[in-house]
Amino acid sequence: ETGVTQSPTHLIKTRGQQVTLRCSSQSGHNTVSWYQQALGQGPQFIFQYYREEENGRGNFPPRFSGLQFPNYSSELNVNALELDDSALYLCASSSDRAYEQYFGPGTRLTVT
Amino acid sequence: GIQVEQSPPDLILQEGANSTLRCNFSDSVNNLQWFHQNPWGQLINLFYIPSGTKQNGRLSATTVATERYSLLYISSSQTTDSGVYFCAVEEVANSKLTFGKGITLSVRP
Repeated sequence: ETGVTQSPTHLIKTRGQQVTLRCSSQSGHNTVSWYQQALGQGPQFIFQYYREEENGRGNFPPRFSGLQFPNYSSELNVNALELDDSALYLCASSSDRAYEQYFGPGTRLTVT
Repeated sequence: GIQVEQSPPDLILQEGANSTLRCNFSDSVNNLQWFHQNPWGQLINLFYIPSGTKQNGRLSATTVATERYSLLYISSSQTTDSGVYFCAVEEVANSKLTFGKGITLSVRP
């Protein structure tokens, strides 16, 4: 059974640029959630997708957007990057909306 | 929104010692998970425990949902147990996980 994978591992961007992060769900999982983890903090919920529809959103501005594809893989897009967007971005998948979540290794984004 | 508090914030143990990590939450929850975050950032699932008690090797966890707390027990600690331990709860109203600030555990040889 393949676990949750994310790409890229690390990324360096300049303020104002746009970035796309990718996540492949664990086999058989139809729900994907994205989290942002700043240094020294716990992960913060960005949004969740269930069967290609957004199923809840945290306190993040509209420049954070996402997609879920028919194979249940997912993208997180961030426009107009700000320095405070520097963080570890984690993707988690689950077999349904209210089930145990399994996390990928994360993408570490640095905005300069 | 729901509040999750973990204590103590930091814990230093000698190898072989036992420890108890606590998680308090402010409202009813559907689910509760404990994670160990390794130095590379990977969150490793320890327990999925909305209520009751579970054991896995040297680790065990208990959640008392009616009193809104969960405990993670580590027995005979090893240096590889070092890292940050997170408790995360899923609110009744939605399926997002709300995390505590974590407990940093250092196990010394």
